[in-house]
Amino acid sequence: DQQVKQNSPSLSVQEGRISILNCDYTNSMFDYFLWYKKYPAEGPTFLISISSIKDKNEDGRFTVFLNKSAKHLSLHIVPSQPGDSAVYFCAAENMNYGGSQGNLIFGKGTKLSVKP
Amino acid sequence: KAGVTQTPRYLIKTRGQQVTLSCSPISGHRSVSWYQQTPGQGLQFLFEYFSETQRNKGNFPGRFSGRQFSNSRSEMNVSTLELGDSALYLCATSSGVGETQYFGPGTRLLVL
Repeated sequence: DQQVKQNSPSLSVQEGRISILNCDYTNSMFDYFLWYKKYPAEGPTFLISISSIKDKNEDGRFTVFLNKSAKHLSLHIVPSQPGDSAVYFCAAENMNYGGSQGNLIFGKGTKLSVKP
Repeated sequence: KAGVTQTPRYLIKTRGQQVTLSCSPISGHRSVSWYQQTPGQGLQFLFEYFSETQRNKGNFPGRFSGRQFSNSRSEMNVSTLELGDSALYLCATSSGVGETQYFGPGTRLLVL
């Protein structure tokens, strides 16, 4: 059973517009959420994270929103640029589990295409 | 700072063989996690090491094992390779609990 779900395998957006990538989770023990971007033949690159004690975190063009009651988070990219075209992974973990951090649970990714 | 290094980048093996992959963390990072990425299952956690100790393990068979050395470099080993082990193997490192994981470029393993 998938604990982290990204229900949209792909998303196409015009350059300059907003990209909204969504992620749902089922495990209420998750308390830390991250977004990674991945280009082909490269490892995932960390983008932005949010702790469960917050509902919003912003870093430049990237904003992550967390709705704990709905077990839903989203990544907003404004304005979208062609260089943002990549696969975006949502990940979650329980930071308090055994004091270790290693176990990130990933969604299956959403492929974002930003058209010029 | 240099990033996470993984060697080799590409590998072709045949069924039944065994393989060892290496991961060198960012300087100062003591936690190393390993993940398997396949088209069907996505990114799945294998195990995590910190100070030469395995602290966490995912749901993979015992054919998958790892270790970490005193300099924090880590290796993972897959014995008796199966076709389904063909995947991109990624390692991610961090300085410890509460810190962000940074990924290496991965090792693409093809089992024939």
